[in-house]
Amino acid sequence: DAGVTQSPTHLIKTRGQHVTLRCSPISGHKSVSWYQQVLGQGPQFIFQYYEKEERGRGNFPDRFSARQFPNYSSELNVNALLLGDSALYLCASSLADRRFYGYTFGSGTRLTVV
Amino acid sequence: AQRVTQPEKLLSVFKGAPVELKCNYSYSGSPELFWYVQYSRQRLQLLLRHISRESIKGFTADLNKGETSFHLKKPFAQEEDSAMYYCALTLTQGGSEKLVFGKGTKLTVNP
Repeated sequence: DAGVTQSPTHLIKTRGQHVTLRCSPISGHKSVSWYQQVLGQGPQFIFQYYEKEERGRGNFPDRFSARQFPNYSSELNVNALLLGDSALYLCASSLADRRFYGYTFGSGTRLTVV
Repeated sequence: AQRVTQPEKLLSVFKGAPVELKCNYSYSGSPELFWYVQYSRQRLQLLLRHISRESIKGFTADLNKGETSFHLKKPFAQEEDSAMYYCALTLTQGGSEKLVFGKGTKLTVNP
């Protein structure tokens, strides 16, 4: 099992552009969550998807959107990029009973907005 | 508001010394708490979950509901324990669930 895979690993974009980040969960995991980690801070929750439906959304502007596909992979989209969107974006997947197994994180996509 | 506080941004100990990384939480319900670790150039990975009451790599963490704490402890630190440690709380609200992380503690174990 390859674990949670994210692509691309690094990305440089210009202010105002749009970006799409991709995540493939561990096989059998139906829940995918996205987190933003700014340097020096813990990860901040952006979205959770379960069975292709949005289950939760963090305190992020509408420029952030996501979706989950029938194979449970997910995309995070960010429009009208700002310098402050520069961060490590993490994807996490989990089994239904995350109390025992927690969340498994991908290596992240490092987004730099210039 | 639900919150996780890790009061120490940096913690430095010598090899063989005991180490304790502090974590306090604010949550009105029954908490689900985790410790995650991030070694240099590696992904964030689960270290401990309070529900399992386990010991991983010599680390233990006990949930103290009275003090709302979930401190991470190891009696004899090793150099390979040097990493970033995050305490996290699971929030479940209206069908959604998310992790609320502390800001993390960078542990350095000196030889």
